[in-house]
Amino acid sequence: DVKVTQSSRYLVKRTGEKVFLECVQDMDHENMFWYRQDPGLGLRLIYFSYDVKMKEKGDIPEGYSVSREKKERFSLILESASTNQTSMYLCASSLVDRGKTQYFGPGTRLLVL
Amino acid sequence: ILNVEQSPQSLHVQEGDSTNFTCSFPSSNFYALHWYRWETAKSPEALFVMTLNGDEKKKGRISATLNTKEGYSYLYIKGSQPEDSATYLCAFPRSNYQLIWGAGTKLIIKP
Repeated sequence: DVKVTQSSRYLVKRTGEKVFLECVQDMDHENMFWYRQDPGLGLRLIYFSYDVKMKEKGDIPEGYSVSREKKERFSLILESASTNQTSMYLCASSLVDRGKTQYFGPGTRLLVL
Repeated sequence: ILNVEQSPQSLHVQEGDSTNFTCSFPSSNFYALHWYRWETAKSPEALFVMTLNGDEKKKGRISATLNTKEGYSYLYIKGSQPEDSATYLCAFPRSNYQLIWGAGTKLIIKP
């Protein structure tokens, strides 16, 4: 059974804090993605990675960075959290080919005070 | 700019009734169209990946059709049950590995 796990379901941080969101997949997928989801909007891509140490910016990368040191792990970093980064963060992974099904983690609901 | 539109934004349906909603996507350079279901407190999960014009896929009481020439797909739910309450998302692949997502249709089944 495919599995994507995220380090926290709920997180409360203060403005200016550095925040790490971790994602691990056990399917040996090449591609990994970080999205945020806000009410009334579709999933918006922050960053994705198609291989270890490789990354590409998505639609809304500002204020975020990522790290992929191992194939199974993809981390999202908020360098200095701000209140407008309060959101639901979803991690996903997929095989390398275009248009393949993405498998999602349970999400992290982040509140920045 | 590629855009994926879903309608309606939300839908209240009486238990036992059937319902359907729409996903519109760019009709040029079609590759595939994905449907996902996202239940509250769970992960989004894939329902269908549709690739051929005129294709119809079915999973239990849920089915989907695809018209690539006019750029739309319908998702149908027959005899809605409370467990069908979820947000239904469609997504369209970009030229690389990414998916472009619609905002979703939130379906609420009233007992």
